Amino acid sequence: GDSVTQMEGPVTLSEEAFLTINCTYTATGYPSLFWYVQYPGEGLQLLLKATKADDKGSNKGFEATYRKETTSFHLEKGSVQVSDSAVYFCALRGNYGQNFVFGPGTRLSVLP
Amino acid sequence: DTGVSQDPRHKITKRGQNVTFRCDPISEHNRLYWYRQTLGQGPEFLTYFQNEAQLEKSRLLSDRFSAERPKGSFSTLEIQRTEQGDSAMYLCASSLAADYNQPQHFGDGTRLSIL
Repeated sequence: GDSVTQMEGPVTLSEEAFLTINCTYTATGYPSLFWYVQYPGEGLQLLLKATKADDKGSNKGFEATYRKETTSFHLEKGSVQVSDSAVYFCALRGNYGQNFVFGPGTRLSVLP
Repeated sequence: DTGVSQDPRHKITKRGQNVTFRCDPISEHNRLYWYRQTLGQGPEFLTYFQNEAQLEKSRLLSDRFSAERPKGSFSTLEIQRTEQGDSAMYLCASSLAADYNQPQHFGDGTRLSIL
């Protein structure tokens, strides 16, 4: 079945550092890929998405590019802020399924 | 757009009791999903509805779990004879069916604690 693998956390960075959170997936066909963010005590919020190969999703300074050849969708941000501290989930929606498959999440802590 | 609303936010109950959670989706969304999230894990799919029809159920949804969406608007998730392993965050999400690439919009969840 479809699956998503993320780098293990927690990830701790200093403010203004560069962020990469790796995400790879296994799916048949051409899934849509998503990054969700979960702040403490809140539900998941969509951060960005990409629906086909080579698409780049971006939002709030975060970017991720859909790489079909490496089945990856790594999340990057050039300069993190304390307010970016949260748990980040990579997810996919397969061609034939209606539900999302989520990775285990990566906790990010940004120190001032 | 008031977002997806879930009630209650927290529920503490004794093992063996029944619990019911409610989800109010975004008003124009015809798809509604339930997920379970345990500590340190991503959400796991339980079931989803299109309008009032329950179209898919995960193997995680044992016979103690039942979900309804009687009028195609709000949904309830009931757990009967709760067990310790049911302790988790239960998330509801909604989306529009018309656009396959539409993301799901999540509520803040109901945290269930079994004593």
